[in-house]
Amino acid sequence: DGGITQSPKYLFRKEGQNVTLSCEQNLNHDAMYWYRQDPGQGLRLIYYSQIVNDFQKGDIAEGYSVSREKKESFPLTVTSAQKNPTAFYLCASQTGQGFRTEAFFGQGTRLTVV
Amino acid sequence: KNEVEQSPQNLTAQEGEFITINCSYSVGISALHWLQQHPGGGIVSLFMLSSGKKKHGRLIATINIQEKHSSLHITASHPRDSAVYICAVCLPFSGTYKYIFGTGTRLKVLA
Repeated sequence: DGGITQSPKYLFRKEGQNVTLSCEQNLNHDAMYWYRQDPGQGLRLIYYSQIVNDFQKGDIAEGYSVSREKKESFPLTVTSAQKNPTAFYLCASQTGQGFRTEAFFGQGTRLTVV
Repeated sequence: KNEVEQSPQNLTAQEGEFITINCSYSVGISALHWLQQHPGGGIVSLFMLSSGKKKHGRLIATINIQEKHSSLHITASHPRDSAVYICAVCLPFSGTYKYIFGTGTRLKVLA
């Protein structure tokens, strides 16, 4: 079955450490996205990528980094520069031209800084 | 004021009730999506609308572009419908498209 896989589901990090969240899709989608979800707020866009080897900052990119070396994979690194990293992170993908197509979401990773 | 507003924020219903969740937005959009988020956190896309009305099983979604408003209806609600329902609008952004998400409506259906 096609879909998006995020791992791990739960992640704990010590302050000052970088951590990488995995997102893999086998839907052959060109566009992939990372969102952050905080209680009482809508999802906010961190980074997005429309094609391999290219990515763009979203609304809240500070303290995060991404790579898109393969079409299937779009890992997100939460760096120590991110002031408030505890949140729920969602990865999504779509075929190239977003607005006419359905978005597929992963199951999310809940990151807690301890 | 958020660009996408959902109401109500929380909703409790008895099994079998007809449910309506509303979404109002203040920006020009290309499409509107209704999403369902279950307690585990994963999100499923329910509908994508750019005009009119769509129906899937017990779910109906409508959109009025002139009034910048969409509704999601659930007929004959069931406890398994309990979830957070999120409205998201899609608009042009830097040569591509971006989404702005509502904060969600938390629905609980009691047996």
